[in-house]
Amino acid sequence: DTAVSQTPKYLVTQMGNDKSIKCEQNLGHDTMYWYKQDSKKFLKIMFSYNNKELIINETVPNRFSPKSPDKAHLNLHINSLELGDSAVYFCASSQQQGETQYFGPGTRLLVL
Amino acid sequence: AQSVAQPEDQVNVAEGNPLTVKCTYSVSGNPYLFWYVQYPNRGLQFLLKYITGDNLVKGSYGFEAEFNKSQTSFHLKKPSALVSDSALYFCAVRDLIYNFNKFYFGSGTKLNVKP
Repeated sequence: DTAVSQTPKYLVTQMGNDKSIKCEQNLGHDTMYWYKQDSKKFLKIMFSYNNKELIINETVPNRFSPKSPDKAHLNLHINSLELGDSAVYFCASSQQQGETQYFGPGTRLLVL
Repeated sequence: AQSVAQPEDQVNVAEGNPLTVKCTYSVSGNPYLFWYVQYPNRGLQFLLKYITGDNLVKGSYGFEAEFNKSQTSFHLKKPSALVSDSALYFCAVRDLIYNFNKFYFGSGTKLNVKP
């Protein structure tokens, strides 16, 4: 059973398009996160939700919009994709805020 | 601000030899420190954490880490490396001051274990 799953695993798209990445966790955790890992493997927090409430909103372009329909899901929608958005996006969850995080397999986004 | 530094981009070690992956931290207050491992094309996996208590923390896959307050370090160690340990290792610290839900990750250290 996959604890934290993301779809799709790979996403290749053209500049200017709008795309979504979905994340689901079956661990019963309260908190979920989105991270961006760049080409140099540097990992940076983007957003975090706790029980469907936004608690971390880093300096991310407003083209990125997270949505949490319930505490098991945290989706990431990206409008008007740019070349610089190419990266690996990781979803993660934790039992409570600040606890050990469990990561999904990542979504590799390539913007052409 | 809370931060961690991993001074080595890459560590090379022969199979069977001990390995150390270095991490130093800079925090206000007591640190909550973590190690994660990332295998190629995979997400990060939790290895171990230090919150309080014994300075030597044991984790998954035979790894351990030593918390050293005077040197502000939290180095990851394993007595005998395996080829399968080859991966990218991240040190992380939890923010306890401004937003305790936030983690800061180091830049990662690539561990190469040669047969």
